[in-house]
Amino acid sequence: DTEVTQTPKHLVMGMTNKKSLKCEQHMGHRAMYWYKQKAKKPPELMFVYSYEKLSINESVPSRFSPECPNSSLLNLHLHALQPEDSALYLCASSRDRGYQPQHFGDGTRLSIL
Amino acid sequence: AQTVTQSQPEMSVQEAETVTLSCTYDTSESNYYLFWYKQPPSRQMILVIRQEAYKQQNATENRFSVNFQKAAKSFSLKISDSQLGDTAMYFCAFMKQNSGNTPLVFGKGTRLSVIA
Repeated sequence: DTEVTQTPKHLVMGMTNKKSLKCEQHMGHRAMYWYKQKAKKPPELMFVYSYEKLSINESVPSRFSPECPNSSLLNLHLHALQPEDSALYLCASSRDRGYQPQHFGDGTRLSIL
Repeated sequence: AQTVTQSQPEMSVQEAETVTLSCTYDTSESNYYLFWYKQPPSRQMILVIRQEAYKQQNATENRFSVNFQKAAKSFSLKISDSQLGDTAMYFCAFMKQNSGNTPLVFGKGTRLSVIA
């Protein structure tokens, strides 16, 4: 069982829809991450939150909007996505002090019609 | 910028045999961490093993061990007594030492198939 929970596991949406991906962890981690992973490729970093503040944004298009309402929860709001945004979206968390590995969720597989 | 190179896109091994996955990296940092992650078809990224660059001793976790050569910037993963459940994509990853929330830099991955 993963300690980082992502919902939904699968999402199909049209290009005009608005949807949100959710990520939750209860390990007391203060750093949370969103990655995008295309098939047979490594994960690509999108955003990093540290103590609920956005610390890294890897030049992600504005149609992806992250939100960190509290230390346990991380959302990714989606709007007006393109077919090339279809991918596996992975959430991860880690302690925000010193050396700690990242723990990943199972991901949300997103398909844009 | 750091880069991680995995030169073997695909590998296969017979069940119960030993296999080694290669990884090299490039960095000007002297303090950093290296990881191997496993991603089975179930798609969750699972941490297999980690190595602190300041430690000379190679990390081991049960059937998994690494050969860390800091001067050569090499970090290979050895899987002993391979099992069918080891079939997965394996990613080598680098993280520079920081106070926290430092992103991982991944290699392109090696797809390992364990054959019965």
